[in-house]
Amino acid sequence: IVLTQPPLASPVTLGQRASISCRSSQSLVHSSGSTTLSWVQQRPGQPPRLLIYHISERLSGVPDRFSGSGAGTDFTLEISSVEAEDAGVYYCMQATQFPITFGQGTRLDIK
Amino acid sequence: QVYMVESGGGVVQPGRSLRLSCAVSGLVYGLHWVRQAPGKGLEWIAHISYDGSRKYYADSVQGRFTISRDNSKNTLDLQMNSLRAEDTAVYYCASDPGFDNNGFYSGYFDFWGQGTPVTVSS
Repeated sequence: IVLTQPPLASPVTLGQRASISCRSSQSLVHSSGSTTLSWVQQRPGQPPRLLIYHISERLSGVPDRFSGSGAGTDFTLEISSVEAEDAGVYYCMQATQFPITFGQGTRLDIK
Repeated sequence: QVYMVESGGGVVQPGRSLRLSCAVSGLVYGLHWVRQAPGKGLEWIAHISYDGSRKYYADSVQGRFTISRDNSKNTLDLQMNSLRAEDTAVYYCASDPGFDNNGFYSGYFDFWGQGTPVTVSS
């Protein structure tokens, strides 16, 4: 399954909304019924960190300014009010079938 | 909270072998290895189920890498043989929670290690 993301998000200033898209080459509904689309953040020099799973479920401890949405083959990660610490690369990921795949990553720069 | 710490990375010549380990604290189900080449994105390379009965590999490492785990020691390993320059990357271990009480598959990596770097060079 191929996940397609733009390499760069539109530059945003602190407090603005940011949006990152992810398009899948096919449905991400697992045989169990869950949709295994998740979002992972990677800050510079840091390991990846899970933000969102099952399209829109926020991992415990993740700020509520992060939200996920979408259905079918189109998904979006939104940051309602960007903070300086949100700079980094964001990856969508699917585990509906092996091989597990990541999008190419979208870099978010903050002006 | 689960903590995962990788070890075993280093510099190795092409064609040689290296074994990575990941020490895991806490209860985990599925375990994975993910790598990231310098300046590149994330690449999933291997998965092992809780009981070790199911293993999956990316085509790029199939036949050269072997994933294993020892639940009694809370460790995950990756045996890497016939290493190539293109295997140069930071290697992360990651966990998935398996299936929930309703039978839905998680399909996400809730915990990650800090990574261990591997450089394949003569």
